[in-house]
Amino acid sequence: AQKVTQAQTEISVVEKEDVTLDCVYETRDTTYYLFWYKQPPSGELVFLIRRNSFDEQNEISGRYSWNFQKSTSSFNFTITASQVVDSAVYFCALLGGYAGGTSYGKLTFGQGTILTVHP
Amino acid sequence: GAGVSQSPSNKVTEKGKDVELRCDPISGHTALYWYRQRLGQGLEFLIYFQGNSAPDKSGLPSDRFSAERTGESVSTLTIQRTQQEDSAVYLCASSRRGGVNTGELFFGEGSRLTVL
Repeated sequence: AQKVTQAQTEISVVEKEDVTLDCVYETRDTTYYLFWYKQPPSGELVFLIRRNSFDEQNEISGRYSWNFQKSTSSFNFTITASQVVDSAVYFCALLGGYAGGTSYGKLTFGQGTILTVHP
Repeated sequence: GAGVSQSPSNKVTEKGKDVELRCDPISGHTALYWYRQRLGQGLEFLIYFQGNSAPDKSGLPSDRFSAERTGESVSTLTIQRTQQEDSAVYLCASSRRGGVNTGELFFGEGSRLTVL
């Protein structure tokens, strides 16, 4: 079984603060992929990043950075110098199912973290 | 089209009626997914199509739910004898490839279903 836990339901910060969104996952698969998606108020989910389980290198893209730690089954997302436009719901997701093959292609989402950035 | 298109964007129906939700994926995308998002909740996986076949239907909540895909293109999600707990936003997503090669999923704006 696959599970993604985003323990932070809501986070509120003031503009220019750094904020980290936590994601912990569970899977029995040795090969899997992790994703982060952003859902702004308009509702349409926007892809942010995809990482495979063999690549633990941290990634930085502008103000966004991701910390993948296989030892703790975590894939945390940090926004540096947050802006009001970062306000959205952020979802972490896990793609697995290769070991048993029965969940091939099933992308399991966490419950999401609502981020509000105040001016 | 340019993106994933879903229709209707909003549907209000009475309990017990059947509804059909449609998804037009991005042209050429072989993988298609349906998710359900209840108010304030995460995304709940319903079904995944690779081409026209559905290797994973494990998320369909009950036998009132069914989905099909034709021509490796349009997909229809049908809910029979709707119940109030079916009220949610139904999201469709497509991906250029599926399975192990699944990369970015492109989501539509969703169909908001309200069952009175």
